[in-house]
Amino acid sequence: GQQVMQIPQYQHVQEGEDFTTYCNSSTTLSNIQWYKQRPGGHPVFLIQLVKSGEVKKQKRLTFQFGEAKKNSSLHITATQTTDVGTYFCRAGNMLTFGGGTRLMVKP
Amino acid sequence: DTEVTQTPKHLVMGMTNKKSLKCEQHMGHRAMYWYKQKAKKPPELMFVYSYEKLSINESVPSRFSPECPNSSLLNLHLHALQPEDSALYLCASSQDPSTGRGYTFGSGTRLTVV
Repeated sequence: GQQVMQIPQYQHVQEGEDFTTYCNSSTTLSNIQWYKQRPGGHPVFLIQLVKSGEVKKQKRLTFQFGEAKKNSSLHITATQTTDVGTYFCRAGNMLTFGGGTRLMVKP
Repeated sequence: DTEVTQTPKHLVMGMTNKKSLKCEQHMGHRAMYWYKQKAKKPPELMFVYSYEKLSINESVPSRFSPECPNSSLLNLHLHALQPEDSALYLCASSQDPSTGRGYTFGSGTRLTVV
């Protein structure tokens, strides 16, 4: 069935470095959502992107939706230890999640 | 109220036990979901309720039985589970299943089957 693929699976960064995770689909998506799950926690909805080429920012987080609406990225500038967790994408017209990118930040 | 409340938070049950997980939301959301999550994996869909009716069952074994008594409540009845069913069980809700809006998740029930 339809899926969204997320890369990378894991990312270790030094505190202060930037981080990016990518979500890719072979089909056009109606929208894309991003979630964050802290270790031992539950997924928390971060944002939804709907328009082609859309860019949204939340403090140090920048979310982009590709022009063809087939891919999306989440970029964190100057990571902090509070950014640790797994970031999942989900296409709004699918009930499944991407595999997630686990971010580990070394202080 | 912008939360989804799940009880219990932790549950240990034997393979012959019967137990129930509960989920409640008062946001007026008309879609409710059960997801199962194993360690280091994404949430895996089990059931979807849309306007209090079961709309999707992802070929879940019959030892898991969902119930939606009203638009605010969702239960998951468990019977004769196996150790491999141990996982985090997440309830989620959204405004409407057809609009593809974001989910609000509960904090989950961490289930251990012994």
